[in-house]
Amino acid sequence: QVQLQESGPGLVKSSQTVSLTCTVSGGSISSGNYYWTWIRQPAGKGLECIGRIYTSGSTNYNPSLKSRVTISVDTSKNQFSLKLSSVTAADTAVYFCARQTISGGFDYWGQGTLVTVSS
Amino acid sequence: QSVLTQPPSASGTPGQRVTISCSGSSSNIGSNYVYWYQQLPGTAPKLLIYMNNQRPSGVPDRFSGSKSGTSASLAISGLRSEDEADYYCAAWDDSLSGYWVFGGGTKLTVL
Repeated sequence: QVQLQESGPGLVKSSQTVSLTCTVSGGSISSGNYYWTWIRQPAGKGLECIGRIYTSGSTNYNPSLKSRVTISVDTSKNQFSLKLSSVTAADTAVYFCARQTISGGFDYWGQGTLVTVSS
Repeated sequence: QSVLTQPPSASGTPGQRVTISCSGSSSNIGSNYVYWYQQLPGTAPKLLIYMNNQRPSGVPDRFSGSKSGTSASLAISGLRSEDEADYYCAAWDDSLSGYWVFGGGTKLTVL
């Protein structure tokens, strides 16, 4: 059974960079045709896809966040990561990592981690 | 402001059939598959429908999806109390280099 687990600081100061990691267990991150994705959800609001990375390393980012986002993968640790720079209060949200299958759906999700941006 | 448009709320009584709509444009729903997710309070979303109308293993056949042009719908028949949740539609958007877009979510209340 594939499992995803997010980790990272729960609190970050405005203008800084937040770094989150998603550890994948129960399967190799480099096997199969999967995209590894970051999605966030502000409290009481909807879902927003931040971006994704394929096992080859190719990425797609949400245009509204592209200038501040880097997603990378570390196959040796079976992890992929998110860096979001110049954060503001608007970036306060629960951040989920998820696996996207080749058919398009996000079939496995992490439990989510709350990131709060303080001034 | 979400790229895909959903009604903020929907409701029904046990046993009823309810539908939730999702409206997009030619760059997303009009040219790509639609996906539906169910999110219970405090949990991660769960894939409910993929590729417009396909159900993952374990999803009851009470849930069905359809798509026409730039709109899609999720139908839930035989409504049950445990169906009370938030529902989100999603589609790939071909604009720029491509990215996933979601609806704003619909809160389903079982009366």
